[in-house]
Amino acid sequence: SQELEQSPQSLIVQEGKNLTINCTSSKTLYGLYWYKQKYGEGLIFLMMLQKGGEEKSHEKITAKLDEKKQQSSLHITASQPSHAGIYLCGADQGAQKLVFGQGTRLTINP
Amino acid sequence: DTGVSQNPRHKITKRGQNVTFRCDPISEHNRLYWYRQTLGQGPEFLTYFQNEAQLEKSRLLSDRFSAERPKGSFSTLEIQRTEQGDSAMYLCASSSGFGAFFGQGTRLTVV
Repeated sequence: SQELEQSPQSLIVQEGKNLTINCTSSKTLYGLYWYKQKYGEGLIFLMMLQKGGEEKSHEKITAKLDEKKQQSSLHITASQPSHAGIYLCGADQGAQKLVFGQGTRLTINP
Repeated sequence: DTGVSQNPRHKITKRGQNVTFRCDPISEHNRLYWYRQTLGQGPEFLTYFQNEAQLEKSRLLSDRFSAERPKGSFSTLEIQRTEQGDSAMYLCASSSGFGAFFGQGTRLTVV
């Protein structure tokens, strides 16, 4: 079965700093989703990547899928307090059934 | 489009009681998924439907759990004879084939 490992597990950054979260898969990724979750709430869809080398951006968040399609990274530029939360990567197992990493908890200090 | 809606948001129940959760997907989304998430972990897949057909069930879904989607629209997840280990966030998601969109979840606490 496919497993996803996220690093780091938690991250504390100063407001305004850039940061990167990584998601490494034990198998080839055919669809990789990034979500954000506030504590006790549901998952907010951020981006989906399918092609090796693909890069997508939304506001100050950029996600990439490497050429070999076994790793993805999420980069936040000039972090803001609104970026705080748990970031989850999910791999499509077919029919949008997802297996998730354990999450990365992001804290933004003012 | 109001997104995926789940009810109730919170449920506290005594061990041994039955509980039922409801999920209303985004309209016209033919696929509907149930996941369970425990503290500090990512969501784990439980089951999914295409229209009214339940196409896959995880081994996590013991015989105390049952899910239905009778008319291919809303779905219910029932847990019988709840145990403390059932305490978790239960998440529903829907898809039309591109992207999976989640509801706010139902947090179950078994006391």
